[in-house]
Order: sequence, then C-alpha cells, then structure tokens
Amino acid sequence: DAKTTQPNSMESNEEEPVHLPCNHSTISGTDYIHWYRQLPSQGPEYVIHGLTSNVNNRMASLAIAEDRKSSTLILHRATLRDAAVYYCILSLIGTYKYIFGTGTRLKVLA
Amino acid sequence: DADVTQTPRNRITKTGKRIMLECSQTKGHDRMYWYRQDPGLGLRLIYYSFDVKDINKGEISDGYSVSRQAQAKFSLSLESAIPNQTALYFCATSDLTSQGGETQYFGPGTRLLVL
Repeated sequence: DAKTTQPNSMESNEEEPVHLPCNHSTISGTDYIHWYRQLPSQGPEYVIHGLTSNVNNRMASLAIAEDRKSSTLILHRATLRDAAVYYCILSLIGTYKYIFGTGTRLKVLA
Repeated sequence: DADVTQTPRNRITKTGKRIMLECSQTKGHDRMYWYRQDPGLGLRLIYYSFDVKDINKGEISDGYSVSRQAQAKFSLSLESAIPNQTALYFCATSDLTSQGGETQYFGPGTRLLVL
C-alpha cells in the first residue's frame, strides 16, 4: 500500500496562512488524496480531497504536485479552532481502504 | 442531532469480559467501518461493511467481531477483552462524492479501558 509522510508538528500564527505538506512518492494513478483533521477529543473530520487537480472548498485548498508525489493542504487564515492533528491519507478508487499515518499536529499561536 | 452516534462514550471493563460497542447512523449510507486509535497514532481499520450482508475484516480484526443489524446499525464486540485492547474506538460511514472518491464521516468515539 502507498504511504504518506508528514511532519510531526507545525506552528502557525493566528490569521496567517498555513501550508501543511505531505509526501506520497509511491502513490498510484488511481489513489485519491484525502485530508482529515482531528480536533481534541473528537473523531476525524473531512477537510478536502482530490485526484489530480488542485481543489478548493470553504475549509481549505489542496495543491497537488504535477507528478502527484506530494501535496499541500492550505489553510488560508489559521484560527485557534484550526489547532488539530491533520492527516494526509491515500485511498484507492473503489476500495474501502484509508491508511492513516501519524499526522501533523498543528499549533496555532494567538 | 449527530449523524453518527456511538454508545457508550466511555467504558471500563475487566479482562475476560465480553463487551459490545454500538454505532448508529442517520446518513443513510451503506458503508460502515470500525477503527481503533492508540495514543499518538493514526487510526487502524478493524472491520468494515459495505451493506447488511457484506462484512469484511480490516487490518487488525483478531479479538473482535461485528454485527450489522440494519443499514443504520453496526456493532463491535470484544468477546474476551484484554488490556491491549484499551484504545479509542471510532465508527464511521462513507458515501461517494460527486468529484469521485469517498468521504468518511466519523462518530465521536468510545474510550475503552480494559483492566
């Protein structure tokens, strides 16, 4: 199975953009890239996902490298409520499999 | 009301006891999942079900069993609990998205302590 590599932790100042990187050098052509976040004492929450093209939604943007071996989750203006563990996950089209790594713990400074 | 609910939210039990964790969903999804999370780690898949008649083992199913009583209900049982099953357990459902791929929706979790 393809795997993802993320930094263990990152810090950001409130109201500044945050770029969370993820490497997935063994990704296959049919793997979707998902991002979830887990707030303290809660279950994971969907953030965004994509296959090849960059994606935007109300929560974040996903920038996918042209070779798809890396991606970046962009939070445009971090708030204190964005402090969480962010997971970059690959899933094969048509399967159940989500392989969670250990994620990046984002700390937002006031 | 939450779309995915889990009961109980917290449970303490003793080694050798049988316990059941329950999950209900109002999202109308066919696919449901059970995961466990250990401190500082990501989630690992225990069992998954694509519909009421389709149940499959995940990567760490030993020591666990499941029952899909209806589309909306998926229960996880520990037949004889052991201390290394102490963990946070999450139920999830999933649905296909218009842009392709699936999105999973997680419950709030059940914190289990086996003494």
